[in-house]
Amino acid sequence: DAGVIQSPRHEVTEMGQEVTLRCKPISGHNSLFWYRQTMMRGLELLIYFNNNVPIDDSGMPEDRFSAKMPNASFSTLKIQPSEPRDSAVYFCASRGTSSGVETQYFGPGTRLLVL
Amino acid sequence: AQSVTQLGSHVSVSEGALVLLRCNYSSSVPPYLFWYVQYPNQGLQLLLKYTSAATLVKGINGFEAEFKKSETSFHLTKPSAHMSDAAEYFCAVSDPSTGNQFYFGTGTSLTVIP
Repeated sequence: DAGVIQSPRHEVTEMGQEVTLRCKPISGHNSLFWYRQTMMRGLELLIYFNNNVPIDDSGMPEDRFSAKMPNASFSTLKIQPSEPRDSAVYFCASRGTSSGVETQYFGPGTRLLVL
Repeated sequence: AQSVTQLGSHVSVSEGALVLLRCNYSSSVPPYLFWYVQYPNQGLQLLLKYTSAATLVKGINGFEAEFKKSETSFHLTKPSAHMSDAAEYFCAVSDPSTGNQFYFGTGTSLTVIP
């Protein structure tokens, strides 16, 4: 299995621009999570989906952030407009059952820099 | 509600010395417990997990962790540190009674001194 795939791996953009991060979960996993990691705040859960339906988006910072999961194999996290404080590493994770236990598997992350 | 506490945000050990990273959890029911490792500029990688099959769990790269219900702990250990073990380590708990939502600790940065 290829694991969780994220693209792009690095993104540099200017303040005010739209940013779209993409994620392909592990095939067969029915839950998908978006996290943000910064030095100041550590690892934060932004939103997660079960069976393509958003379950908890209480971690989404503000209306500039939105996430979609149109099908079981693809999700996007969009920031519009982007701001310098959005600079962080964004991780996608999918969850599936391994040895009878639901386990999260992380992608390599997208490193975002907003100038 | 679940919570995870990792004591010590930074731990330094000498190469060859014992590694001990602490994790305590709060849970009203037996949870599932995990350790993840994050190497520089990489994602989180599953190191090991407790599934109630055995209290001593062995993971990758020589790491192991012991579930102690009486102490609500799941400390991570390795007998002999290697330079390549330098990384950030995250403890996480999953509560089956709340839909298996994950709760992560704040992480412990391990430095290995040559």
